[in-house]
Amino acid sequence: DTGVSQDPRHKITKRGQNVTFRCDPISEHNRLYWYRQTLGQGPEFLTYFQNEAQLEKSRLLSDRFSAERPKGSFSTLEIQRTEQGDSAMYLCASSFGAGGDQPQHFGDGTRLSIL
Amino acid sequence: GENVEQHPSTLSVQEGDSAVIKCTYSDSASNYFPWYKQELGKRPQLIIDIRSNVGEKKDQRIAVTLNKTAKHFSLHITETQPEDSAVYFCAARLAGGTSYGKLTFGQGTILTVHP
Repeated sequence: DTGVSQDPRHKITKRGQNVTFRCDPISEHNRLYWYRQTLGQGPEFLTYFQNEAQLEKSRLLSDRFSAERPKGSFSTLEIQRTEQGDSAMYLCASSFGAGGDQPQHFGDGTRLSIL
Repeated sequence: GENVEQHPSTLSVQEGDSAVIKCTYSDSASNYFPWYKQELGKRPQLIIDIRSNVGEKKDQRIAVTLNKTAKHFSLHITETQPEDSAVYFCAARLAGGTSYGKLTFGQGTILTVHP
């Protein structure tokens, strides 16, 4: 499967713990996006990478959230001191090209449940 | 920022009927409008997209129309089949500036096609 890959698929953790998710974009896609989706809602933008540079962050991304894409390939999203409100599906998407209107392809997401 | 409203929230049709989902957007600078289909527990899948220089686009049973003046766009599915049952999301992308291609999604429409 050469699509966007995310790991793990599910994560259950206690409040206050740190969690890290990984996203492997489609090979050679230079643009990578993280979104968050809660039940019954559409995905909400969190952050964007062009190659290894993090160029945009949403106000939804509090200080407890950090994302990296160290070599311009895979990306990680870390949440520190998790809270109940962090429970959601975290989706990664990637696209290719210089402009922003190329199709974004999504992964299956990581479902985070905070106990 | 951009705001996208989607209607209806639920849509129930008989197999073979047509289904129409409508979205409005707030920022006239938006120039790219994709539609995603999301089945339960699965990734959002791009089914069709349209750019602002085009008024209509068709792909087999699926079509999208765009009215830039009124700032709304619609998804049309003809000859619906039970496998079309899913949640459908519209999205808009703001051109230029620091948007970097992030998508703003509507709230979703749950489409149910009854055999």
